[in-house]
Amino acid sequence: TQLLEQSPQFLSIQEGENLTVYCNSSSVFSSLQWYRQEPGEGPVLLVTVVTGGEVKKLKRLTFQFGDARKDSSLHITAAQPGDTGLYLCAGRQDRDDKIIFGKGTRLHILP
Amino acid sequence: DSGVTQTPKHLITATGQRVTLRCSPRSGDLSVYWYQQSLDQGLQFLIQYYNGEERAKGNILERFSAQQFPDLHSELNLSSLELGDSALYFCASSPTGVGRGEQYFGPGTRLTVT
Repeated sequence: TQLLEQSPQFLSIQEGENLTVYCNSSSVFSSLQWYRQEPGEGPVLLVTVVTGGEVKKLKRLTFQFGDARKDSSLHITAAQPGDTGLYLCAGRQDRDDKIIFGKGTRLHILP
Repeated sequence: DSGVTQTPKHLITATGQRVTLRCSPRSGDLSVYWYQQSLDQGLQFLIQYYNGEERAKGNILERFSAQQFPDLHSELNLSSLELGDSALYFCASSPTGVGRGEQYFGPGTRLTVT
């Protein structure tokens, strides 16, 4: 089973700082999604990237898809307490169309 | 609000029992996915239905089964429940069976087996 590895598993930083979290695999993905999940709720779709090297911005969040479509990163600028949550990446594998999820990065922004 | 609804929100039952979880997808979505989420295992894909037919199967136990009805709502049946089945169960929907992989998740059902 191909895995999506997310790092770090946990991250706690002060409000106003910048951070980057990563999603890596040995699989090639035809598309990759990032979701944010708050405790007791379902994941909420943030973005989809489909082209190698693609960069998408959502306010203070910047998402990048690796050139080889095997990895992705999420960069948050000037983190705010409202950014706290579990960030999940998910990819649709090229070889079999299956969607797999990483275990997530649990982010806590301290006021 | 994603437009995906799940009932019930919470369910408490005893070992050995059987329960049914219900999901209604977003209007117009043809695919329904079921996931199990526990603290140590992350989000585990169970099964996908597309327009009434099973399309993909993940780590779904034989004690679990699902179906999608003509009105596109779906039910996940869990039987002979064990303590380890306690988890959050999410349903998600998407417009097509393949697409770009985007899914819209419901609020989940929290199952507690005692």
